[in-house]
Amino acid sequence: GDSVTQMEGPVTLSEEAFLTINCTYTATGYPSLFWYVQYPGEGLQLLLKATKADDKGSNKGFEATYRKETTSFHLEKGSVQVSDSAVYFCALKNAGNNRKLIWGLGTSLAVNP
Amino acid sequence: DTGVSQNPRHKITKRGQNVTFRCDPISEHNRLYWYRQTLGQGPEFLTYFQNEAQLEKSRLLSDRFSAERPKGSFSTLEIQRTEQGDSAMYLCASSGGTSENSPLHFGNGTRLTVT
Repeated sequence: GDSVTQMEGPVTLSEEAFLTINCTYTATGYPSLFWYVQYPGEGLQLLLKATKADDKGSNKGFEATYRKETTSFHLEKGSVQVSDSAVYFCALKNAGNNRKLIWGLGTSLAVNP
Repeated sequence: DTGVSQNPRHKITKRGQNVTFRCDPISEHNRLYWYRQTLGQGPEFLTYFQNEAQLEKSRLLSDRFSAERPKGSFSTLEIQRTEQGDSAMYLCASSGGTSENSPLHFGNGTRLTVT
């Protein structure tokens, strides 16, 4: 079945460091890919998405490119801030098979000043 | 605020009691989802509605769990005879548009603690 694997956390960085959180997937068909973020005490928020191969999603300085050849959707940010501290979830949605999101386990990011 | 609203934010109950949670989705969204999230895990799918029809239900949802969306707007999730293993964050999400790959918009969740 469909699945998402993302790098384990926690990830701890200093402010202004470069961030990469790896995400790879297994899916039949042509899924859409998403990154969601969960700040402490809050619900999940959509961070960015990509719906087809080679699409790049971007928001708030974060980027991720849908790479079908490597089945990856790695999240990157050039310069993290303390306010980026949160848990980041990679997810896919495959209308061909089901209507629900398939989630990674989440990667906790802590950014120190 | 036109986001997804969930009530209550927190619920503490004793084992064996029944609890009911409510979700008000974004008003124009026809699809509504319930998920459950435990600490350190990603959300687990529970059930999905399109308008008032419950189209999919996870095997995780035992007979003690029931969800409704009677008028295709708000939804309720009821857990009967709660068990300590039911303690989790219950998340509601909605989506709209014509594409089934439209993103989900989540509420802040209801945190259930069963003592």
